[in-house]
Amino acid sequence: DIQMTQSPSTLSASVGDRVTITCRASQSISSWLAWYQQKPGKAPKLLIYKASSLGSGVPSRFSGSGSGTEFTLTISSLQPDDFATYYCQQFGTFGQGTKVEIK
Amino acid sequence: QVQLQESGPGLVKPSGTLSLTCAVSGGSISSNNWWSWVRQPPGKGLEWIAEIYHTGSTTYNPSLKSRVTISMDKSKNQLSLQLSSVTAADTAVYYCARGLIVGGTTNFDYWGQGTLVTVSS
Repeated sequence: DIQMTQSPSTLSASVGDRVTITCRASQSISSWLAWYQQKPGKAPKLLIYKASSLGSGVPSRFSGSGSGTEFTLTISSLQPDDFATYYCQQFGTFGQGTKVEIK
Repeated sequence: QVQLQESGPGLVKPSGTLSLTCAVSGGSISSNNWWSWVRQPPGKGLEWIAEIYHTGSTTYNPSLKSRVTISMDKSKNQLSLQLSSVTAADTAVYYCARGLIVGGTTNFDYWGQGTLVTVSS
């Protein structure tokens, strides 16, 4: 089974910061990686699919990159609405999540 | 706009069977999408459970496969989940989600709001 490992588990940042979250796959998954944002008490929201394609209605400050086994999600300028938990996903496997907190 | 709505008992006794339904509106369950169940224990991460296609094809998480049945009722435009022999470890928010087919994988573009199921006597 493919394992997905995210880092860091928690990230403290300020509004306006550039934020990067990493997801590593235990074996090559080409570009078949998605990123989700989840806020407390809410369902996850698809942000990025196929590693770098922006989901519907997702602000352009979100971007994804990578292929093979290493992927990144970048928020170019953190906004108040972006404080949430982020998950990567490849088919039936999710990463453990990265919580973005207010510094 | 596709909408998904989960329903079912919020409390299930240990060793019993958890049964949930997901009603789909704004789109057909017979579309070119997979339909999945995903769960999230309180304070923890996401775990994919199973998926089904309108042809009846199914895929299960190997760690849950022996206890899970996913099915769909096209006439009602809904999907269902049954999880047998439940324990406290099955306490979670259960989500249904639409699987967008992206090349060799599926990503979840529409989600229900989730329903909390607690396993307790």
